[in-house]
Amino acid sequence: GAGVSQSPSNKVTEKGKDVELRCDPISGHTALYWYRQSLGQGLEFLIYFQGNSAPDKSGLPSDRFSAERTGGSVSTLTIQRTQQEDSAVYLCASSLRGTTNTGELFFGEGSRLTVL
Amino acid sequence: AQSVTQLGSHVSVSEGALVLLRCNYSSSVPPYLFWYVQYPNQGLQLLLKYTSAATLVKGINGFEAEFKKSETSFHLTKPSAHMSDAAEYFCAVTTTSTPLVFGKGTRLSVIA
Repeated sequence: GAGVSQSPSNKVTEKGKDVELRCDPISGHTALYWYRQSLGQGLEFLIYFQGNSAPDKSGLPSDRFSAERTGGSVSTLTIQRTQQEDSAVYLCASSLRGTTNTGELFFGEGSRLTVL
Repeated sequence: AQSVTQLGSHVSVSEGALVLLRCNYSSSVPPYLFWYVQYPNQGLQLLLKYTSAATLVKGINGFEAEFKKSETSFHLTKPSAHMSDAAEYFCAVTTTSTPLVFGKGTRLSVIA
């Protein structure tokens, strides 16, 4: 596709279950980012990939959160043993290079996670 | 580390009135600054960016922003608001290869 694709668009799960969120970046974009958007909190950085490696994982809120990227393309964000405070919109973005000082981030429409 | 403060979580203007959305940044090195817009149920898209060239930056849909180092500000303006401008606006900052740091956003409402 032409843009960043995220799935599922909506996910409702029960507390304690694991969830996987998928991001398919724009073809050829080497950098991929995950952000979390909560009401009134803006966008919180989670993790950044350059190719398949993650030079910056500083934003992952706990060890229940993990992410991987394979083939320099699709990325999966996994949340284990979900808690109610994990409810948010998870946004993925990609860019041509890892340096955002000149590049633009292209965002997907997000995956809305609701933990009951 | 850099940070961004957006003054006002909600701004309401009349159609045709000036739009002013405020953003102040904190950075120990020269920053690169961005404004993104998020329309309802859509992803974020870039409005404009400052990357150390001209201090007055023009973006899409008639928006512009001015980088003022002395005030550590990068306020977003538009001379005349349209109904279609109603959205959430995010200011963001980065320096070298660090990920963008976003503000908490300002929701713009336009009243007919």
